[in-house]
Amino acid sequence: GIQVEQSPPDLILQEGANSTLRCNFSDSVNNLQWFHQNPWGQLINLFYIPSGTKQNGRLSATTVATERYSLLYISSSQTTDSGVYFCAVEEYGNKLVFGAGTILRVKS
Amino acid sequence: DAGVIQSPRHEVTEMGQEVTLRCKPISGHNSLFWYRQTMMRGLELLIYFNNNVPIDDSGMPEDRFSAKMPNASFSTLKIQPSEPRDSAVYFCASSPRLSGSRSYEQYFGPGTRLTVT
Repeated sequence: GIQVEQSPPDLILQEGANSTLRCNFSDSVNNLQWFHQNPWGQLINLFYIPSGTKQNGRLSATTVATERYSLLYISSSQTTDSGVYFCAVEEYGNKLVFGAGTILRVKS
Repeated sequence: DAGVIQSPRHEVTEMGQEVTLRCKPISGHNSLFWYRQTMMRGLELLIYFNNNVPIDDSGMPEDRFSAKMPNASFSTLKIQPSEPRDSAVYFCASSPRLSGSRSYEQYFGPGTRLTVT
């Protein structure tokens, strides 16, 4: 099956810093989503981005489908950005395969 | 519009007991998914339905697990009998997938944290 690798596995930032999270996948995909799992466990949709670039406030994402990777940019990080960031890709038939996640801690 | 609704949010039960988790998808969505999250295995798909029909249950770990979707607005995931290794967070998700090959965004419920003692 498809492999999804996220890096770095964990990251500590000072409030206000910028960061880039990466997601590599081993095969072509129809769907790629980024999620933020907050400290209460809720999975929050950030981006649905099988290709191209999208921006939402301080967050943006770029997927280069031909090179099988996606990047999530967080600018001017805030303590509320802390949590786990997951990349998930569709293997087939709407089945999402999740990466192991990046644990982000933002310090004030 | 309300998001995906799951109940209960927390469940503590003893080994051997039957557990039933419930999910109401977003209105109008015709695909429904059950995922499980554990420290060891991360997030993994258990089963998904399209138009109330189970399409892929290859992720269901054992025969102790079963899932049903009697109508477009309700699904259950049942574990009978439960075991301590079933302790996990169970998520339900839905998407407005139509027929054909195109994929749509999946939206997750808040999850049910199951503890089997």
